[in-house]
Amino acid sequence: AQSVSQHNHHVILSEAASLELGCNYSYGGTVNLFWYVQYPGQHLQLLLKYFSGDPLVKGIKGFEAEFIKSKFSFNLRKPSVQWSDTAEYFCAVNARGGNNRLAFGKGNQVVVIP
Amino acid sequence: EPEVTQTPSHQVTQMGQEVILRCVPISNHLYFYWYRQILGQKVEFLVSFYNNEISEKSEIFDDQFSVERPDGSNFTLKIRSTKLEDSAMYFCASRGEILNYGYTFGSGTRLTVV
Repeated sequence: AQSVSQHNHHVILSEAASLELGCNYSYGGTVNLFWYVQYPGQHLQLLLKYFSGDPLVKGIKGFEAEFIKSKFSFNLRKPSVQWSDTAEYFCAVNARGGNNRLAFGKGNQVVVIP
Repeated sequence: EPEVTQTPSHQVTQMGQEVILRCVPISNHLYFYWYRQILGQKVEFLVSFYNNEISEKSEIFDDQFSVERPDGSNFTLKIRSTKLEDSAMYFCASRGEILNYGYTFGSGTRLTVV
């Protein structure tokens, strides 16, 4: 079964700072990779996903993520955060084929100070 | 944009009582899922449902849990005899035939067992 690790569970930064959230997974086969965001009181929303092709994926709200297969990583980045980026961010993977259940990381709570 | 709707948003129940969590997936979606997140822990997969039957379940999904799609629009999770450790946020998700379009999550039901 696949598993996902996210570190630095609580991140506090100022507006305009750059953000990078790490995500590592363990699974021997081919995976699909996702980043979800959960704003306070809201549902999980898809930020971006990687299935194949260009390993640098651009998502909504200025976020991007890079899939590095050799490192089993899919780190999320944003060059300049805004106060509205305060949220919890979840990395998730599923295995190609099968039932496509998602395995989530523990999440990163990001607080952006105005 | 189509949404997955979950009701209620909050539920408090006494230990040993039965609860039913309700979800209305997106109308043309075919795959349905329940996940849960205990406070401070990872989002965990519970069960997936396709073609009117369970297609996969996790070790968490024991005999006290059941799912049903009673009327072609609702997708319910029943917990027969709640325990304190069932307190969590429960998320419903659905997706269409094409995985590339991703999963859509509901905003969750916060279940508190006292």
